[in-house]
Amino acid sequence: SAVISQKPSRDICQRGTSLTIQCQVDSQVTMMFWYRQQPGQSLTLIATANQGSEATYESGFVIDKFPISRPNLTFSTLTVSNMSPEDSSIYLCSVAGDRDQPQHFGDGTRLSIL
Amino acid sequence: QKEVEQNSGPLSVPEGAIASLNCTYSDRGSQSFFWYRQYSGKSPELIMSIYSNGDKEDGRFTAQLNKASQYVSLLIRDSQPSDSATYLCAVNRAGGFKTIFGAGTRLFVKA
Repeated sequence: SAVISQKPSRDICQRGTSLTIQCQVDSQVTMMFWYRQQPGQSLTLIATANQGSEATYESGFVIDKFPISRPNLTFSTLTVSNMSPEDSSIYLCSVAGDRDQPQHFGDGTRLSIL
Repeated sequence: QKEVEQNSGPLSVPEGAIASLNCTYSDRGSQSFFWYRQYSGKSPELIMSIYSNGDKEDGRFTAQLNKASQYVSLLIRDSQPSDSATYLCAVNRAGGFKTIFGAGTRLFVKA
């Protein structure tokens, strides 16, 4: 399966600031996704990152708060904007080779907002 | 009704026993089903994929699928303390572009 590198692995940020998380894959993939996972909770899909077009956001998530880029088939970024303590969570990038294929996850970014 | 439902557990089994994890889903058109293992503080790791009715075995793991009953299960034989983790059931919606994850079942294997 693809090797997925996610950076940073963790960060502590001040409220009101923004952080960009990077996801790099070692091979071209069709599908890239961004999830959030609160401690002890399951995965919540933020958006599907579409190559060459705007991301598809899930209900409750908006582009102004979570802008996503996907300039090519191996790279995507998620920005968490104007952060508040409620944004403290683990953010996960995942990829899938094609529809009906399983997703594979990066190691995640553990984000804490003070 | 949730799209993918799992018992949250915790499920506790003694070492060497069979652990049985269950999952139901609501989309009758779903064709792809997955089990992930997630250790505390780690990201989910794929352990099984299943696409057809019946059983699929991989080492100590067996996935079972019954599309008529909309039911997926994972059996772990000869359970080990290292199997203690949260197991996530995941189902692709019809069309295959979106995966719905269950809330997960926590498994404890007692030495």
